[in-house]
Amino acid sequence: DTGVSQNPRHKITKRGQNVTFRCDPISEHNRLYWYRQTLGQGPEFLTYFQNEAQLEKSRLLSDRFSAERPKGSFSTLEIQRTEQGDSAMYLCASSRRGQRGEQLFFGSGTQLSVL
Amino acid sequence: EDQVTQSPEALRLQEGESSSLNCSYTVSGLRGLFWYRQDPGKGPEFLFTLYSAGEEKEKERLKATLTKKESFLHITAPKPEDSATYLCAVPEDTGFQKLVFGTGTRLLVSP
Repeated sequence: DTGVSQNPRHKITKRGQNVTFRCDPISEHNRLYWYRQTLGQGPEFLTYFQNEAQLEKSRLLSDRFSAERPKGSFSTLEIQRTEQGDSAMYLCASSRRGQRGEQLFFGSGTQLSVL
Repeated sequence: EDQVTQSPEALRLQEGESSSLNCSYTVSGLRGLFWYRQDPGKGPEFLFTLYSAGEEKEKERLKATLTKKESFLHITAPKPEDSATYLCAVPEDTGFQKLVFGTGTRLLVSP
């Protein structure tokens, strides 16, 4: 169990640029989540994958956001035409389906700053 | 809509000074209440899951308890390494872990 890995750890970009983040979940976990966290707040749900299928998207995820999980392995989150309001910590988490008390294992996040 | 409220927002303790953090929730049907610890610049780390009123779980200096409307995280004789933000969360009724988090309690334990 090497944990959930996220890259990059930090990303600074200018408004209007596109950015992409990567998440490598724990290998045997078939569920993958993206959450977003701003300073002083708890994480907010963005989207959920069961294997390669994206089964739910939050209304927080505007058309500028897209997430993929090809082959049910790693996932990418892309933000197009970034805005200053997109500045936040983007957290990826994974879990194994079917466990009562299913735990989410979070990565260390990607801190995005939009200038 | 499920809601989670945590108090206090911040808490400063001396090493060895025990205290409790509160998490109150309003959900249509509780499917578990989760406690996480988050260190600065890191993702949340799972601590406990509680399912029914009266349930208690312990881990080192931490004990979590649950009633029908709130949960407490008791910290006994804390050490500086217990300094962190403590988050509680409840899952929405979706069949997966769409968690609704509170805003957390920032705990600082001074030596």
